[in-house]
Amino acid sequence: DQQVKQNSPSLSVQEGRISILNCDYTNSMFDYFLWYKKYPAEGPTFLISISSIKDKNEDGRFTVFLNKSAKHLSLHIVPSQPGDSAVYFCAATTSGTYKYIFGTGTRLKVLA
Amino acid sequence: GAGVSQSPSNKVTEKGKDVELRCDPISGHTALYWYRQRLGQGLEFLIYFQGNSAPDKSGLPSDRFSAERTGESVSTLTIQRTQQEDSAVYLCASSRGQGPGTQYFGPGTRLTVL
Repeated sequence: DQQVKQNSPSLSVQEGRISILNCDYTNSMFDYFLWYKKYPAEGPTFLISISSIKDKNEDGRFTVFLNKSAKHLSLHIVPSQPGDSAVYFCAATTSGTYKYIFGTGTRLKVLA
Repeated sequence: GAGVSQSPSNKVTEKGKDVELRCDPISGHTALYWYRQRLGQGLEFLIYFQGNSAPDKSGLPSDRFSAERTGESVSTLTIQRTQQEDSAVYLCASSRGQGPGTQYFGPGTRLTVL
C-alpha cells in the first residue's frame, strides 16, 4: 500500500517558468512533510519542509503548499533553472515517530 | 563539515555471496537510517537506530539482512547469500534525534548482484 504517491514520474519545464511537483498521501496521521532533491550518484538532499499546522512554507524560489483536506502537497519552483533538474522526492512522517515514508519521485528536467 | 559517507560506492557480487556495506554518520547524530532504492522505486525503509535503544528492524525484507551500529557511530548493513533482487542503491541517513526533522543522506552504495 503506497501511502505517499507521486503520480508523475517525470516533468519538463522551460527555464524561467514555474515547476509544480505534486504529492498525495493517504495516512491522515501524517503531520510533517518534506521534499528532497536528488542528483545522479548522490544521496537525496533536504529542500524544504512543512508542518500540518501550516498550509504554506516558502524558502527563496521554493514554496510548498499543503492541502490537508485533500491530503495533497505540492512543491513550486519559481523561476525554474537548469540546475534544478533532478529527481524530487516527497516524504511524510508523524510527529513523535521516526518513520519517513517516501514517494517514488518525480524527475524534473528544466530546459534551457 | 563532513557529511554522511558510505563505502563502497559500488559493489558487484555474485549471487550467493555475502556483502557488507558501511555507513559513517555525521558526528553527533544519534539517529541512523538505512534505506533501499530499487530501480524506478522510492526509498524503502530498512532499519533505524537511535542512540543505545533497540533498533527498529521492521523494514528488513528477510533474515538474510542484518545491521549493526557501534554506539552512535559507524553502521554496517550485511546481506547474506545475496540474490539478484537485492540489486539496488542502499542509502544511509543520519539525523540529530527523533523526528520530525532533517535527515542527511550519504551518496549510497550501488549493489549489483549477478
